[in-house]
Amino acid sequence: DADVTQTPRNRITKTGKRIMLECSQTKGHDRMYWYRQDPGLGLRLIYYSFDVKDINKGEISDGYSVSRQAQAKFSLSLESAIPNQTALYFCATSDSRQNEKLFFGSGTQLSVL
Amino acid sequence: EDQVTQSPEALRLQEGESSSLNCSYTVSGLRGLFWYRQDPGKGPEFLFTLYSAGEEKEKERLKATLTKKESFLHITAPKPEDSATYLCAVKAGGNTPLVFGKGTRLSVIA
Repeated sequence: DADVTQTPRNRITKTGKRIMLECSQTKGHDRMYWYRQDPGLGLRLIYYSFDVKDINKGEISDGYSVSRQAQAKFSLSLESAIPNQTALYFCATSDSRQNEKLFFGSGTQLSVL
Repeated sequence: EDQVTQSPEALRLQEGESSSLNCSYTVSGLRGLFWYRQDPGKGPEFLFTLYSAGEEKEKERLKATLTKKESFLHITAPKPEDSATYLCAVKAGGNTPLVFGKGTRLSVIA
């Protein structure tokens, strides 16, 4: 089983719809992150959480929200999806007691029509 | 502002043709430089962490080196299975997340 699990793997939705992407981890890490990846733009940080009570905006948080329901669960919501949110989304985890090495999930390909 | 620039954006090599990928960075108080490999449609996978200038790490055909301004990922006698996007990231001082470069897309042709 994967240590960092993202659901769904693929999602097609329509403009204006609210959707949620979910991430769960079995690594026991305290830190969790959401990134999006677009061709030519690399990985861009949306939100990150250093523990259950800590939520921080990344460089492109507008139009997104997150919830850290437990140490092992971190979900990303698009309140009203728009076409330019079409991208590959990755969840990642790290352990603050170690060297910030990130472990990534397999990604969610989101298409907003 | 912490920045990471990778070059070239894309590199095409013949099998066995050694080369290097570059990662230039500006960061306040480097706490670590990370290399990741990413296959199409998959999440990045960790390769190396370097902490100080002069440090080197190797894994199979890959060797990563670090200076005060840049890191190189040397690929010796590459094989087609080395084809992937290679990402560089830096960790600055303080409680800040990693900053990633845009990656180098490597293609190794048999």
